[in-house]
Amino acid sequence: DAKTTQPTSMDCAEGRAANLPCNHSTISGNEYVYWYRQIHSQGPQYIIHGLKNNETNEMASLIITEDRKSSTLILPHATLRDTAVYYCIVRPHNQGGKLIFGQGTELSVKP
Amino acid sequence: KAGVTQTPRYLIKTRGQQVTLSCSPISGHRSVSWYQQTPGQGLQFLFEYFSETQRNKGNFPGRFSGRQFSNSRSEMNVSTLELGDSALYLCASSLSLAGEFEQFFGPGTRLTVL
Repeated sequence: DAKTTQPTSMDCAEGRAANLPCNHSTISGNEYVYWYRQIHSQGPQYIIHGLKNNETNEMASLIITEDRKSSTLILPHATLRDTAVYYCIVRPHNQGGKLIFGQGTELSVKP
Repeated sequence: KAGVTQTPRYLIKTRGQQVTLSCSPISGHRSVSWYQQTPGQGLQFLFEYFSETQRNKGNFPGRFSGRQFSNSRSEMNVSTLELGDSALYLCASSLSLAGEFEQFFGPGTRLTVL
């Protein structure tokens, strides 16, 4: 079973920041928080991941709360091409590459 | 650097047949994982290979099998196809098994079983 809880869907206006929340209240100390997105009928695309600290790359920022029980993915200036299903996944450090996908959040970016 | 490639991209088979799907990981990546995606069950992990050995296995029947070659390329096989095997089959590669290494997915193989 997925160990994360995400809203089923969200809307965002084009050009505005999209903030996607994720709850992972049972996360263990050695588990990473990963975010992927999937545009319709394509393979999932890696976005960002983190363990404790906030992370930023060219695509997004990841904010992890101090207790690590929740996180927020931030797309700073959403475009129509960011419309996709976003998956938040917790992944242990030492148990291989298995990713357990939940239902994700369907983000719709509107003009 | 080239991404993960999967062949074929589309496949139509009939019930009872078998099928082999191929995945070429990103150069230098040694771990390959396979996933099945259906509208009803979403994305589900099938198995993972590293250094030609299966390291992780999901909850799928024995009709689903895989292997990895010395060049890290991987194949998965589904025998005695059922209608419910119609799905998008995705392959992902990673540098290693450890959690800090992200996985990169290919475009998938769309399998239709008639």
